[in-house]
Amino acid sequence: DAKTTQPNSMESNEEEPVHLPCNHSTISGTDYIHWYRQLPSQGPEYVIHGLTSNVNNRMASLAIAEDRKSSTLILHRATLRDAAVYYCILNSGYALNFGKGTSLLVTP
Amino acid sequence: DAMVIQNPRYQVTQFGKPVTLSCSQTLNHNVMYWYQQKSSQAPKLLFHYYDKDFNNEADTPDNFQSRRPNTSFCFLDIRSPGLGDAAMYLCATSREGEGYNEQFFGPGTRLTVL
Repeated sequence: DAKTTQPNSMESNEEEPVHLPCNHSTISGTDYIHWYRQLPSQGPEYVIHGLTSNVNNRMASLAIAEDRKSSTLILHRATLRDAAVYYCILNSGYALNFGKGTSLLVTP
Repeated sequence: DAMVIQNPRYQVTQFGKPVTLSCSQTLNHNVMYWYQQKSSQAPKLLFHYYDKDFNNEADTPDNFQSRRPNTSFCFLDIRSPGLGDAAMYLCATSREGEGYNEQFFGPGTRLTVL
């Protein structure tokens, strides 16, 4: 399975934008780029996914590099409720192979 | 609201005593998954069902089994729990299995083995 690399942790101030990077240099043509997040003591929650083009939804934006070897999850205005572990996952089938993710700390 | 429900939220069992965790969904999704998440680790897929077809991950221990009697329900059976099986067990669903399908997770069942 193609792997992803994310920073272990990041910190942001409340109401500021957050850019969470992910490297996936061995991505294959059939891999979708998914982002999930997991708040403390909860199950993972879907955030966004894309294949080649940038994507926007009510939660976040996903910027995908032209060569697809990296992507960035953008939270436009971080809130305290956005503090979570964010997982970048390549998915071409059933299994979500979670890596270690990025632990996002949001400070008031 | 359509959702994935897991019961119980907390389960305590004794070493070697069989335990069953349950999951139900109101999303009418074809695929149901069981993940194991140990403390401070990422979730790890144990197996999944596509309709009634069972698919086991290669490294899932034989101690773990699953049943899906109908579309809505899926059970995780741990035949002889060991101390190393203490973890959060997460159930998830997706409409189909292709890579673009998002997975919907339940809140998890935290299993303690004494």
